[in-house]
Amino acid sequence: EVHLVESGGGLVQPGRSLKLSCAASGFIFSDYGMAWVRQAPTKGLEWVASISFGGGSTYYRDSVKGRFTISRDNGKNTQYLQMDSLRSEDTATYYCARHEELGWYFDFWGPGTMVTVSS
Amino acid sequence: DILMTQTPVSLPVSLGGQVSISCRSSQSLVHSDGDTHLHWYLQKPGQSPQLLIYRVSNRFSGVPDRFSGSGSGTDFTLKISRVEPEDLGVYYCLQSTHFRTFGGGTKLEL
Repeated sequence: EVHLVESGGGLVQPGRSLKLSCAASGFIFSDYGMAWVRQAPTKGLEWVASISFGGGSTYYRDSVKGRFTISRDNGKNTQYLQMDSLRSEDTATYYCARHEELGWYFDFWGPGTMVTVSS
Repeated sequence: DILMTQTPVSLPVSLGGQVSISCRSSQSLVHSDGDTHLHWYLQKPGQSPQLLIYRVSNRFSGVPDRFSGSGSGTDFTLKISRVEPEDLGVYYCLQSTHFRTFGGGTKLEL
């Protein structure tokens, strides 16, 4: 059974940094691309970033380019999202999601971790 | 950027009834590979999203046949027949032909 669990969320001041982790189990982690999707309170879903199965390719939405970095450690079955220069508009629940084999959609999601950016 | 418009925003339903949700894109979602990368998710209250339909009309593993997807080009529909209590929540479409954009969501409620 595919299992994804996020951690690392919390309250952080504007301009500071936070690093999220997503621990994966139940599948061969190194065979799949991974992603982060966020949801601001009472709002819809927003794709944030994706990383290829080997980690060699990364993709970001424009609003986080240069501030967020997605990475992965296939030896630890874990992906990460380093978030720098955080803004109030980054406040959201961040979901870890697995790309299906060809990468076109997300087939499994974690329960999410909440990030609040506020002074 | 691709704009995904879902209608209606809110959809009252009676248990056992049938409903349709529309998702329209600002550009054609036909990819150069010939496929149309439009997918549907359900987010139940307090839960993370779950995949229902991928590439317009393919039901994901374990999804009952009460759910069906159709459409082409820029116009897509999710139909739910014989609505059950566990179908309540917010439905989202996702396009992945041109990067990834979600629709704004449709709340299915009693």
